[in-house]
Amino acid sequence: GQQLNQSPQSMFIQEGEDVSMNCTSSSIFNTWLWYKQDPGEGPVLLIALYKAGELTSNGRLTAQFGITRKDSFLNISASIPSDVGIYFCAGPTLSGNTGKLIFGQGTTLQVKP
Amino acid sequence: NAGVTQTPKFQVLKTGQSMTLQCAQDMNHEYMSWYRQDPGMGLRLIHYSVGAGITDQGEVPNGYNVSRSTTEDFPLRLLSAAPSQTSVYFCASSYTGGPKYFGPGTRLLVL
Repeated sequence: GQQLNQSPQSMFIQEGEDVSMNCTSSSIFNTWLWYKQDPGEGPVLLIALYKAGELTSNGRLTAQFGITRKDSFLNISASIPSDVGIYFCAGPTLSGNTGKLIFGQGTTLQVKP
Repeated sequence: NAGVTQTPKFQVLKTGQSMTLQCAQDMNHEYMSWYRQDPGMGLRLIHYSVGAGITDQGEVPNGYNVSRSTTEDFPLRLLSAAPSQTSVYFCASSYTGGPKYFGPGTRLLVL
């Protein structure tokens, strides 16, 4: 079945550093979504990507829809302590109905002040 | 707007008991869905709905039932709780497609 693999699984960085994480699949996706989950809370949608090659920013966050449509990348510039959390990528299942998503296992980010 | 609300926040059940997890949204969203989150496994879709009266199964539907009688409410029923259903459950909603707003979650422990 479809799977999304995120790497790295966890990161421990210094405040101010830039962060890069990615999400890959053996299947083609038509949409990529990136979420952040703060400890003890539900995920929050950060960025949605709908077109191969698309590059979209949300403040210090930038996400890209890979040209092959099998991967996506999320970058965080100049990290701050509130960036701590789990970052998930997600995409629609083979049904194509974006109401049915599969999620990656997450990248846990810790930021040292 | 209250957004997406879930009750209860915490619940302990004994094996075999049944219960209903409540989810409500006040944003008039058509799409609502239920996910469970287990350590190291991300979120997995249980059931979802594209509007009142319409539901469909997700990745892990066994042991759970849903109904959507109104746009606002999307309850999740555990028919006979099992320890494997110990998890954190999230309800989500959006106007279309992938979930935009998640609730705060229900933490369930089945003994």
